Amino acid sequence: EAGVAQSPRYKIIEKRQSVAFWCNPISGHATLYWYQQILGQGPKLLIQFQNNGVVDDSQLPKDRFSAERLKGVDSTLKIQPAKLEDSAVYLCASSLDGRGVAKNIQYFGAGTRLSVL
Amino acid sequence: AQKVTQAQTEISVVEKEDVTLDCVYETRDTTYYLFWYKQPPSGELVFLIRRNSFDEQNEISGRYSWNFQKSTSSFNFTITASQVVDSAVYFCALNGVSNAGGTSYGKLTFGQGTILTVHP
Repeated sequence: EAGVAQSPRYKIIEKRQSVAFWCNPISGHATLYWYQQILGQGPKLLIQFQNNGVVDDSQLPKDRFSAERLKGVDSTLKIQPAKLEDSAVYLCASSLDGRGVAKNIQYFGAGTRLSVL
Repeated sequence: AQKVTQAQTEISVVEKEDVTLDCVYETRDTTYYLFWYKQPPSGELVFLIRRNSFDEQNEISGRYSWNFQKSTSSFNFTITASQVVDSAVYFCALNGVSNAGGTSYGKLTFGQGTILTVHP
């Protein structure tokens, strides 16, 4: 079974530029998550989708970050404009249960490492 | 609010030594789930174990074992006879069931991680 796919693996941009990340979850997984992992810290949830609806985006900086999950499958996360402090690894995860319940095991992709210069 | 604390930032051991990674958590939820993930240099988080708050039995899987103590809010992870391939960052995480309005809510809170280096 294929895992969570993310692209690109690495991205270097200058501040104020825009960038987009793509995620394809495990087939059949209803819930999709985007996390931000700053160096030396644990992942922090940015947004959670249940099918194509947003369940939680309370920690998403909405003035510059946006995400969508069209058709309830793959998803894109965009940053526009990027700031220096956005340098981090952006991880996508998916889980099977569409109810987003606490017991769900989340399966992670390898992430996209973003450097903002 | 949920919180997970992994007090050990880095641990260095020599191969075949046993090593314990500590995890302490805080939550107001009566039902919750605890997880351990491994993050090798390749970057993806690999699921290791899930434990629910009503099951305090310790678990062993090969060289890995977990000790869950609700009384001290701890969920520690021990690797027996460590190997170089165990070198990675290990994360403890908590997901509480917030029953506001009768719905459960899955929001995973991670600790800061422990960097484990196993030397040959």
